[in-house]
Amino acid sequence: KQEVTQIPAALSVPEGENLVLNCSFTDSAIYNLQWFRQDPGKGLTSLLLIQSSQREQTSGRLNASLDKSSGRSTLYIAASQPGDSATYLCAVRGSARQLTFGSGTQLTVLP
Amino acid sequence: DGGITQSPKYLFRKEGQNVTLSCEQNLNHDAMYWYRQDPGQGLRLIYYSQIVNDFQKGDIAEGYSVSREKKESFPLTVTSAQKNPTAFYLCASSLIRGPDGQPQHFGDGTRLSIL
Repeated sequence: KQEVTQIPAALSVPEGENLVLNCSFTDSAIYNLQWFRQDPGKGLTSLLLIQSSQREQTSGRLNASLDKSSGRSTLYIAASQPGDSATYLCAVRGSARQLTFGSGTQLTVLP
Repeated sequence: DGGITQSPKYLFRKEGQNVTLSCEQNLNHDAMYWYRQDPGQGLRLIYYSQIVNDFQKGDIAEGYSVSREKKESFPLTVTSAQKNPTAFYLCASSLIRGPDGQPQHFGDGTRLSIL
């Protein structure tokens, strides 16, 4: 059974810092990996989706990479801002079209 | 604007009562999903549907039921058999196109509590 782990569970950084969030998964037979942002009491906002054949995806200050063979993905956030404060979740999709989620990393960017 | 609408935002259930959470989408997506989120945890799949009048159980379907009579709607009923229903419930939808899958889009959730 697929398991997704996100480390660290919480992270606090000063504004302007570049940072990396980590996601690991146990079964490398995935179709895609998706990064989400969740604000308190809200639903999830899709940030980036990386197909299994891709190595990375970029959107603005965000860059996500995927290494299927090692079961890892990273989300790189450049020049962090207080508005980036949220919980970031990664999820992998297997053959059954189901997403398996990690528990998230709660990010706080201090002004 | 296209999107996913969940209602109500907050819901309270009495002991022995069934309650129904609404999820409507106008994105013309084929697939719809229900997830449960407990504090400090990731999302767990309850049910999903890829086509009208068909749905499959997810990892934690016990105590829940769904229907998919219209493409746009996928209501979730939390039955009295669900002994620990307090959680944040999220509905999602996606296209089904190609083998690799399309991104899932989420509603704003319904928070269910027990009276």
